[in-house]
Amino acid sequence: EPEVTQTPSHQVTQMGQEVILRCVPISNHLYFYWYRQILGQKVEFLVSFYNNEISEKSEIFDDQFSVERPDGSNFTLKIRSTKLEDSAMYFCASGWDRGRNQPQHFGDGTRLSIL
Amino acid sequence: DQQVKQNSPSLSVQEGRISILNCDYTNSMFDYFLWYKKYPAEGPTFLISISSIKDKNEDGRFTVFLNKSAKHLSLHIVPSQPGDSAVYFCAASEGNTGKLIFGQGTTLQVKP
Repeated sequence: EPEVTQTPSHQVTQMGQEVILRCVPISNHLYFYWYRQILGQKVEFLVSFYNNEISEKSEIFDDQFSVERPDGSNFTLKIRSTKLEDSAMYFCASGWDRGRNQPQHFGDGTRLSIL
Repeated sequence: DQQVKQNSPSLSVQEGRISILNCDYTNSMFDYFLWYKKYPAEGPTFLISISSIKDKNEDGRFTVFLNKSAKHLSLHIVPSQPGDSAVYFCAASEGNTGKLIFGQGTTLQVKP
């Protein structure tokens, strides 16, 4: 069964450094998402992406964050200057359609630890 | 943001019995609801969903019920199996946004 894959599984970075989290969505999916889960908290929406542009973003997704689909298969989340509070599990998800009764499928996440 | 709430942090049931997980929401514009299961060190796995035009959807041992007037949905697992032990998340989306709003999760333990 096709699945969303994320790399790396764990990333440790010094505060202030840039980090790129990578995702390979399911191949025929058109909608792509990033979510995060801070330890002990809810899974929170960060951003949605369709047709090579951001569809929607949350308040969390400020100017330090960016997303890109550089080559038609990878979908990346970049954090330019990491802060301690960016430490979380980051989940990539993809879907065939937006809402409309089509479930999103999630990767296993990247655990980001900021020191 | 408390638009989706799962008020029970944990639930313990005996193998073979029914597990009922509950979820409440406040946004009447939500029109698609999902349940995800999550094991440690893995991402959420899609389990079952329901559109707001329905009040019940069934898939094998899993049934989701939606009560729009009460803004409440529930997931029934019958019969429960030890492998069902995981964290269960309720999620909802509105219209064409695709953005999922998650509940806090309920940890289900099924005892052999």
